[in-house]
Amino acid sequence: DAGVTQSPTHLIKTRGQQVTLRCSPISGHKSVSWYQQVLGQGPQFIFQYYEKEERGRGNFPDRFSARQFPNYSSELNVNALLLGDSALYLCASSQGGRDYNEQFFGPGTRLTVL
Amino acid sequence: SQQGEEDPQALSIQEGENATMNCSYKTSINNLQWYRQNSGRGLVHLILIRSNEREKHSGRLRVTLDTSKKSSSLLITASRAADTASYFCATHNYGQNFVFGPGTRLSVLP
Repeated sequence: DAGVTQSPTHLIKTRGQQVTLRCSPISGHKSVSWYQQVLGQGPQFIFQYYEKEERGRGNFPDRFSARQFPNYSSELNVNALLLGDSALYLCASSQGGRDYNEQFFGPGTRLTVL
Repeated sequence: SQQGEEDPQALSIQEGENATMNCSYKTSINNLQWYRQNSGRGLVHLILIRSNEREKHSGRLRVTLDTSKKSSSLLITASRAADTASYFCATHNYGQNFVFGPGTRLSVLP
């Protein structure tokens, strides 16, 4: 079975631009979460979607938005990019439900903002 | 602030030695999970331990959980160069989201 896939692998943008990152979960998984990982730090939770509805949101500005599609894939959008948005963006899928099981992470999208 | 805090921040050992990493957290949890990350790639799930469990094993990995002290430890026995990576603990509670610590960078020298 294919694992979690993310696209693109790398992305370079300039300040003020907008970016869309994509994630496909493991087949059968209904929950997708997004994390931002700055170099040298642990992942920071951004969003979680379950059954196409937002279940959780981390401490990120409204420039960050996401959605989940009927096939459970997900997009993360970031508007008005800042230099500080440069990071590895990780997507994780899980079966979901109230009792969290382990999350399976994709390889990430490395975003560089110049 | 992050709930999980790993200790030490960095650890360097010789191949064949054991490596122990600790994680402390602040509030009640449903489960705690350990992940490995190789140089900026995606995280790999290692072990999940639930709040009513005290110890779990997986191959060369042993995880303990002490909910009274709000701490967990990850032991890697007979380390190998391939174990060189960053290790993160992540805590979860019902109705809340995963919270990761800053990680421990493990270097296993041949």
